[in-house]
Amino acid sequence: TQLLEQSPQFLSIQEGENLTVYCNSSSVFSSLQWYRQEPGEGPVLLVTVVTGGEVKKLKRLTFQFGDARKDSSLHITAAQPGDTGLYLCAGVSNQGGKLIFGQGTELSVKP
Amino acid sequence: KAGVTQTPRYLIKTRGQQVTLSCSPISGHRSVSWYQQTPGQGLQFLFEYFSETQRNKGNFPGRFSGRQFSNSRSEMNVSTLELGDSALYLCASSPGEATYFNTEAFFGQGTRLTVV
Repeated sequence: TQLLEQSPQFLSIQEGENLTVYCNSSSVFSSLQWYRQEPGEGPVLLVTVVTGGEVKKLKRLTFQFGDARKDSSLHITAAQPGDTGLYLCAGVSNQGGKLIFGQGTELSVKP
Repeated sequence: KAGVTQTPRYLIKTRGQQVTLSCSPISGHRSVSWYQQTPGQGLQFLFEYFSETQRNKGNFPGRFSGRQFSNSRSEMNVSTLELGDSALYLCASSPGEATYFNTEAFFGQGTRLTVV
């Protein structure tokens, strides 16, 4: 069974601080996606990483896929209150393409 | 163009009842997947439909079923509801078959089901 472990589960920081969220597995994934979910809404895709070692940037967000395609990280620079939300990593399963989600990281950025 | 529409947004049911949730994918999208989201278990895959055929199924009991119509709209049904079925049910649509999930999946706002 493929599992994704996400850490930390909760993160409360002040505006302007940097943070990193980790997504780890013992399994290899063909690709990994990061989503952000706000209360009362469905997850919204932020990025998909496909190649081992790949780094993608989205404004202040930097996403990295591990060389072995078993782990990924999301780094936010100078966090803002608008970054508050639930961040989810999801791997594409090797069993039919379904998405396997991590437990999520609840981020709160205080002004 | 319109996003993924799920109806109803909120639902309260009694134990033992059954419920049907509806999902209208983005126009032109042929794949619809369903997920259950709870605080304890996170997001868990229920099933995926592509061109009216169930392509993949998660580890849920047979009380959970679904179907897809020729216009790609999908419904999921839960029979004999249990308290533990209380959750946010999310549907996601994508243009192609979810096997090729490197393309973006678009989620609806979800249906919040409460079983009392």
